[in-house]
Amino acid sequence: DIVLTQSPTTMAASPGEKVTLTCRASSSVSYMNWYQQKPGASPKLWIYGTSKLASGVPNRFSGSGSGTSYSLIISSMETEDIATYYCQQCCSTPPITFGAGTKLELK
Amino acid sequence: EVQLVESGGGLVQPGRSLKLSCLASGFTFSNYGMNWIRQAPGKGLEWVASISSSSSYIYYADTVKGRFTISRDNAKNTLYLQMTSLRSEDTALYYCARQRGTGSFDYWGQGVMVTVSS
Repeated sequence: DIVLTQSPTTMAASPGEKVTLTCRASSSVSYMNWYQQKPGASPKLWIYGTSKLASGVPNRFSGSGSGTSYSLIISSMETEDIATYYCQQCCSTPPITFGAGTKLELK
Repeated sequence: EVQLVESGGGLVQPGRSLKLSCLASGFTFSNYGMNWIRQAPGKGLEWVASISSSSSYIYYADTVKGRFTISRDNAKNTLYLQMTSLRSEDTALYYCARQRGTGSFDYWGQGVMVTVSS
């Protein structure tokens, strides 16, 4: 099974700061998807196919990567970005796996 | 508007069974693969099971294989998860989610809570 390791586990960022969240896979994957989850809410698809923003996602977000290393980047942190972000891989063979999440807090 | 509404959760004793349902609306249900994903209290997301649009392909996480059965009724726009031999570690919020082309989950339900406890 492919294990996804997210780092950091928790981070605090100031408004306007650039933020980089990382997801590393134990074996090469074709795509990476990212989800945003706020407390008490269902996860929302945030980035799919490594770099495509889901509907309604602000363009300060971007995604990149290939092989075993992927990133979600926020160019300028805003208060509304406080959430937990999960990476997820699929598709070559099951099982589908998620990373353990990165909790993004406001500094 | 796409909607996924789960039901059927509750408190159940270890070893007993429970069946979850997910009623879909706002899209052509029979065109999409569907999934169950769970989240234990305070924990991360865990994929549970997948079913293709015509039920031809079905996959399970090792943690539930042999105990859970995913199924769907395209005429009723409903996804199911039959859970047997429930364990305390199955306690979680269970989400149904629609799967799109890159294997991402683009719509999620609000979740239904399953608590396994004596």
